[in-house]
Amino acid sequence: AQTVTQSQPEMSVQEAETVTLSCTYDTSESDYYLFWYKQPPSRQMILVIRQEAYKQQNATENRFSVNFQKAAKSFSLKISDSQLGDAAMYFCAYRPRNNAGNMLTFGGGTRLMVKP
Amino acid sequence: NAGVTQTPKFQVLKTGQSMTLQCAQDMNHNSMYWYRQDPGMGLRLIYYSASEGTTDKGEVPNGYNVSRLNKREFSLRLESAAPSQTSVYFCASSERQFSGNTIYFGEGSWLTVV
Repeated sequence: AQTVTQSQPEMSVQEAETVTLSCTYDTSESDYYLFWYKQPPSRQMILVIRQEAYKQQNATENRFSVNFQKAAKSFSLKISDSQLGDAAMYFCAYRPRNNAGNMLTFGGGTRLMVKP
Repeated sequence: NAGVTQTPKFQVLKTGQSMTLQCAQDMNHNSMYWYRQDPGMGLRLIYYSASEGTTDKGEVPNGYNVSRLNKREFSLRLESAAPSQTSVYFCASSERQFSGNTIYFGEGSWLTVV
């Protein structure tokens, strides 16, 4: 069974600084997708960034980028120029490419606090 | 531009009562899902519907039933609520299975069983 682990229950960053959230996963699959979701206090889950395992290039979306290390099964999220609106829970998620039900396996989440 | 809409947002039930959570999406997606989120945990899949007319169990289906009413709507029913079902429930949808497409979530429904 696949597992996703986020070892940092809480992180704090100063506004305008950079922060990195960690995620590791365990799988025997070779082709899969990895995601980072943001969950603000409103509780809606918002997709931040997606990485396809067969792509070596790390995904980037504006201030958000990932460091994908396939051999190490590591998928960290870097947030640059942190803003107050970035404060939220962040969930790492995994899904095999050929997976009935599009089932995502989620980590336990990291609460990010942004200090003004 | 509603996306995924869930009702109700909040509900308190007594043990043994039944209720149905409603979900609708307006993105013409084929696949729909119900997840639950418990404190300190990520989301866990309860049931999913890969396409209209089909439903399948996810990771934690016990105590729940679902109905894919049409392409837009996917409901979750608790027949006899138990305190262990106190949770936040999320409905989600995606264009189709077996692809890397994005899954869109609703805002969540807070359910308390006393």
